[in-house]
Amino acid sequence: QQQVKQSPQSLIVQKGGISIINCAYENTAFDYFPWYQQFPGKGPALLIAIRPDVSEKKEGRFTISFNKSAKQFSLHIMDSQPGDSATYFCAASLTSGTYKYIFGTGTRLKVLA
Amino acid sequence: GAGVSQSPSNKVTEKGKDVELRCDPISGHTALYWYRQSLGQGLEFLIYFQGNSAPDKSGLPSDRFSAERTGGSVSTLTIQRTQQEDSAVYLCASSLMVNTEAFFGQGTRLTVV
Repeated sequence: QQQVKQSPQSLIVQKGGISIINCAYENTAFDYFPWYQQFPGKGPALLIAIRPDVSEKKEGRFTISFNKSAKQFSLHIMDSQPGDSATYFCAASLTSGTYKYIFGTGTRLKVLA
Repeated sequence: GAGVSQSPSNKVTEKGKDVELRCDPISGHTALYWYRQSLGQGLEFLIYFQGNSAPDKSGLPSDRFSAERTGGSVSTLTIQRTQQEDSAVYLCASSLMVNTEAFFGQGTRLTVV
């Protein structure tokens, strides 16, 4: 019940295209859903996050869509750029309880120039 | 400091030796997390600190792993009698409070030979 399932494992997108990464969770008590971006040799960096009281959050070219009933959330990267090439991790955590972040397995994105 | 600092950045050790990994969180951050990232894998939760106490140690893989935090600041992850399967990048993160943005360090790459 603590798992977060992420897909696809890898993704290749043309420059200017839309990158879509999906995550699904099981524990309905999760109430914070961040996305992290990781470049090789670096630690993950927070990209955007959402709480379940909203269905969508947009920051620049990055949008999280959240479907509470389906227990799914996704990251959309509009106008994808070669500089977006990185590994993306979704995560979920609880406001109460142990507070740890449960991470998805990651999606390696490559944006072709 | 400006960010989460981890040391050493790389560590090569012989099987059976003990190692200590250090994490300096962002000043004032009360929550501190340790994660492990194996090659090409997601982030595996190890332990979480709130202040100096560790409410959740459930991710520590064996009793060879231990961690402590002193003064509500620096944390040390100790691995005793290292095994080859311990080879991974060990990531530390801190957040101002639980369930707020977690900032990651660049990690310590541990190689057990």
